[in-house]
Order: sequence, then structure tokens, then C-alpha cells
Amino acid sequence: AQKVTQAQTEISVVEKEDVTLDCVYETRDTTYYLFWYKQPPSGELVFLIRRNSFDEQNEISGRYSWNFQKSTSSFNFTITASQVVDSAVYFCALSEVHGSSNTGKLIFGQGTTLQVKP
Amino acid sequence: GAVVSQHPSWVICKSGTSVKIECRSLDFQATTMFWYRQFPKQSLMLMATSNEGSKATYEQGVEKDKFLINHASLTLSTLTVTSAHPEDSSFYICSAERDGSYEQYFGPGTRLTVT
Repeated sequence: AQKVTQAQTEISVVEKEDVTLDCVYETRDTTYYLFWYKQPPSGELVFLIRRNSFDEQNEISGRYSWNFQKSTSSFNFTITASQVVDSAVYFCALSEVHGSSNTGKLIFGQGTTLQVKP
Repeated sequence: GAVVSQHPSWVICKSGTSVKIECRSLDFQATTMFWYRQFPKQSLMLMATSNEGSKATYEQGVEKDKFLINHASLTLSTLTVTSAHPEDSSFYICSAERDGSYEQYFGPGTRLTVT
């Protein structure tokens, strides 16, 4: 069965601190996608990144970076020099690829609430 | 591009009535759409996969007769909560998968309150 675990329920940091959000996943498939989404208080999900299972390169986008390690089934997300606007709930998600069905059903982790204090 | 809208954004209804929520992909075609439900301070739980031109596929534990899904066109899926009860109060989010890709775009969500 597929499963995504975000062990950190809530994290509180002070502005300008770096923070890492952990994500561990389980799947029996060799082909899959991993995602991170941000959900601010407004509720709308904001797409941050998609990574396929064959691409283990780490990625950096501004203050955001992602570390994908298949050996440990982890896809961690780091925010550098956090800002108050980063306060939100962050979800890690897994999507499996089923042959030609092309359905990107997402399995979400429990979410991590990040609070960045000024 | 890749905008998904939901209507209404919030709705209050009385117990026993039915509520319809629309999900539209505004600038792309989506043969497949998904409906999620999110309770306060919880994660998103997939309710069903909506396929244009065929019956929706419901996740285990989701009552298909209570949550009616109709995918009438390549840009529109609707979720009807029939005979709503207070326990159906939740945040409902749809997403649309752009045809030919694994890109899934989310709507802004609909907050349903049943009194």
C-alpha cells in the first residue's frame, strides 16, 4: 500500500531560521511522482514541486530546496531564511503511475504546520 | 494557464437538503478530475476519481449514493452531496489532471456547512 508520513505535526521557528520538513513515503511501484504543496490559511493548495522517481537530483528554487533520497524513501523540503509569509501547512504527496491509465491519484501526508514568528 | 475553479466557494445548507459543487478546468481539458475532502486541521482524503464519459471511481468507505459525481464534459465535474447532514460539513477540494500529463491542478476549495 502507498503511504506518506510527515512525522512533524507542527514546527515553529523564528524568522530567518532555516527549517526542514520531513517526508517519508512507501510504495511498491518503481515509477511514481512526489509532490510538495503549500496550503495557506485561505485553503487553496499551492503547487511547489513535482519529482519523478527516476530523478534523484536535488533541486533548489530560491529559498526552497528539496532532497530526494530513494535509499531512505525520503523527500525532504528545506526553507532557507524563513519568512513570516512561509507560515502555512505543507503537504507531501505521492502519485503512482499505473500503466496507461494516466491517473495521478495523490496520496497525501498528514501535513506539517509551519509557523514562522517575526 | 492551468486554472481550476470551484463554485460555490462556500455554502451553508440545512440538514436534509442537497448541495451541488462545480469544478471547472478553465483553460485545459481534463478527462480525469479528483474530489478530495479535508476536515479541519487534517489532511486531504481522496473521495473519488471522476472520469469524463464514465462512472466515477469511489475510494473505500465513500458512499457513492451520497456523493454523486457527474463528469459531464472535459472541463466540468460536479459533486452533489445528497441529503446533507452536519457531519458532511467539510472543505471539499477538486483537482483536474491536464490530459496527457501527470500535472494535477487544484481548485480553491468549497467550504460546506450543514446546519
